[in-house]
Amino acid sequence: DTGVSQDPRHKITKRGQNVTFRCDPISEHNRLYWYRQTLGQGPEFLTYFQNEAQLEKSRLLSDRFSAERPKGSFSTLEIQRTEQGDSAMYLCASSSSVRISYEQYFGPGTRLTVT
Amino acid sequence: AQSVTQPDIHITVSEGASLELRCNYSYGATPYLFWYVQSPGQGLQLLLKYFSGDTLVQGIKGFEAEFKRSQSSFNLRKPSVHWSDAAEYFCAVGAENFGNEKLTFGTGTRLTIIP
Repeated sequence: DTGVSQDPRHKITKRGQNVTFRCDPISEHNRLYWYRQTLGQGPEFLTYFQNEAQLEKSRLLSDRFSAERPKGSFSTLEIQRTEQGDSAMYLCASSSSVRISYEQYFGPGTRLTVT
Repeated sequence: AQSVTQPDIHITVSEGASLELRCNYSYGATPYLFWYVQSPGQGLQLLLKYFSGDTLVQGIKGFEAEFKRSQSSFNLRKPSVHWSDAAEYFCAVGAENFGNEKLTFGTGTRLTIIP
């Protein structure tokens, strides 16, 4: 396993701009999760995919946020019209429904700073 | 809804001393419990997990945790800490929800190791 990878690792953007993050899960994992972590807090669940289907979205995920997983492999998280409150670490995790161990493996995260 | 409380925001321990980090959860049924560790600017690494069976679970890096249903607790312990253990520790609870094992995290405990 090469692990979960995320790109970019850091993103600085101006308020009002759109940003897109990418997550590549562990290759055999069919489940993919996005979490957001603000300073001094634990990660908070945003959304979840099983294969290409987005099965759940948190109320934290406003209309400015959209996530896709078009071929059931990598996923993208887009934030439109960024606000300063969007500044956070965005974490991606993956797991397997075949191996029922419920372990989620996390990537290194993308740190977003909105100025 | 499930929730996790980590009552200690910051703990300082001398190198070589024992460690216990507290975690209390709220969930209606038997939870899935996890401890993750996060080094500065990094993603989360799974230390150990509890699903069922033996209530004392062993993890990586010499950590262990004990599930106590009567106290709704899942405290993390290590008999002798090393300077490299300095990090942020997160307790998390997961629940089977039609295949979505989204995790709910506590706010974390920052561990400082002094020589």
